[in-house]
Amino acid sequence: DARVTQTPRHKVTEMGQEVTMRCQPILGHNTVFWYRQTMMQGLELLAYFRNRAPLDDSGMPKDRFSAEMPDATLATLKIQPSEPRDSAVYFCASGLSPPTEAFFGQGTRLTVV
Amino acid sequence: AQSVSQHNHHVILSEAASLELGCNYSYGGTVNLFWYVQYPGQHLQLLLKYFSGDPLVKGIKGFEAEFIKSKFSFNLRKPSVQWSDTAEYFCAVSRSGNTPLVFGKGTRLSVIA
Repeated sequence: DARVTQTPRHKVTEMGQEVTMRCQPILGHNTVFWYRQTMMQGLELLAYFRNRAPLDDSGMPKDRFSAEMPDATLATLKIQPSEPRDSAVYFCASGLSPPTEAFFGQGTRLTVV
Repeated sequence: AQSVSQHNHHVILSEAASLELGCNYSYGGTVNLFWYVQYPGQHLQLLLKYFSGDPLVKGIKGFEAEFIKSKFSFNLRKPSVQWSDTAEYFCAVSRSGNTPLVFGKGTRLSVIA
């Protein structure tokens, strides 16, 4: 059963610490998305990659967030330094291009205290 | 910028009632349309999708949606809801081609006995 795998599932950290979230897309998918979900803003697109190349990261605060795909089986989202307002659920999703639907991982629930 | 509007923030229905959730989008070109469901504490799962062809789309769990191009709408329907349909429902749109999904803010559905 192919699925998108995200680690960790939960993360509690102190303000100022670095946070790294990892995502393993479905094998064969060439598009990866990072979304952030909050009560106030809903689902916001942070970044997306096609064939490991970043296509759009305009939704991401550049001063503290960074997203990379070191290889086709791993995508990372890093926050440094973290702030309480970064508390949210971060979802990774993968898909094919031309786009079909996006397949979502279980998410990483981040709490910054 | 492309946007997706879901008119109802929270809908409360009794079991066996009929459901219709509204979704409108702002983009005028060719679009791909999706409805996702998020059960409490879980990730987003695809309910149904429309790319082309018959504008009445049938999905899983008895859901269907109708694409009305002239109204820029893609409303979700179910003739008879069950308690297990309690969840949050998200409409999403992508422009045909290589663009990511843009999500509405979601509609929370509560089904009561």
